[in-house]
Amino acid sequence: NAGVMQNPRHLVRRRGQEARLRCSPMKGHSHVYWYRQLPEEGLKFMVYLQKENIIDESGMPKERFSAEFPKEGPSILRIQQVVRGDSAAYFCASSPRSRGGYGYTFGSGTRLTVV
Amino acid sequence: DAKTTQPTSMDCAEGRAANLPCNHSTISGNEYVYWYRQIHSQGPQYIIHGLKNNETNEMASLIITEDRKSSTLILPHATLRDTAVYYCIVRPPSGTYKYIFGTGTRLKVLA
Repeated sequence: NAGVMQNPRHLVRRRGQEARLRCSPMKGHSHVYWYRQLPEEGLKFMVYLQKENIIDESGMPKERFSAEFPKEGPSILRIQQVVRGDSAAYFCASSPRSRGGYGYTFGSGTRLTVV
Repeated sequence: DAKTTQPTSMDCAEGRAANLPCNHSTISGNEYVYWYRQIHSQGPQYIIHGLKNNETNEMASLIITEDRKSSTLILPHATLRDTAVYYCIVRPPSGTYKYIFGTGTRLKVLA
């Protein structure tokens, strides 16, 4: 059973370009969470999605950032018109639908560098 | 806001037990205590969780005080590969609740 798959592992974008980060949750997991980690800082929650629904986007910047988790395919975190301050590691995690105190499974992250 | 308090850093000799404390004095009755760690810049790794009973798995033991206001993660025989930042998080068990990571404890295992 493959873990949470994130791609690309490393992404370099010039200022003003778009960045698209992909996350495939573990099989059977219908909850996806995105976190951002700036250099030398802790993990900050961005958005929580279930299939076709955004449940909690309280951590998302108001502009340029969007996320989706379509019925088919991976979850996508999209950053438009990237700026240097967007350079960070972006981690995706997934968890099962059911209750029971399951832990998240995190992916290895995408390291975005804006030049 | 993170609802836990942890020491900023700790050292532990290789082969000895590492005891990482966490204070969660405002924990609610339905909230679990979760522990994760992040080795270097990898994705966080789940370690263990518990509600009120002590828990043990192949990685660690979790000791929760009777009043549930604090807990201790125990790595029984620390190795150099256990050097990481350890996060203690409290949260209801449902997947609908997000984790809020605090600053964690930076554990350094010394040879």
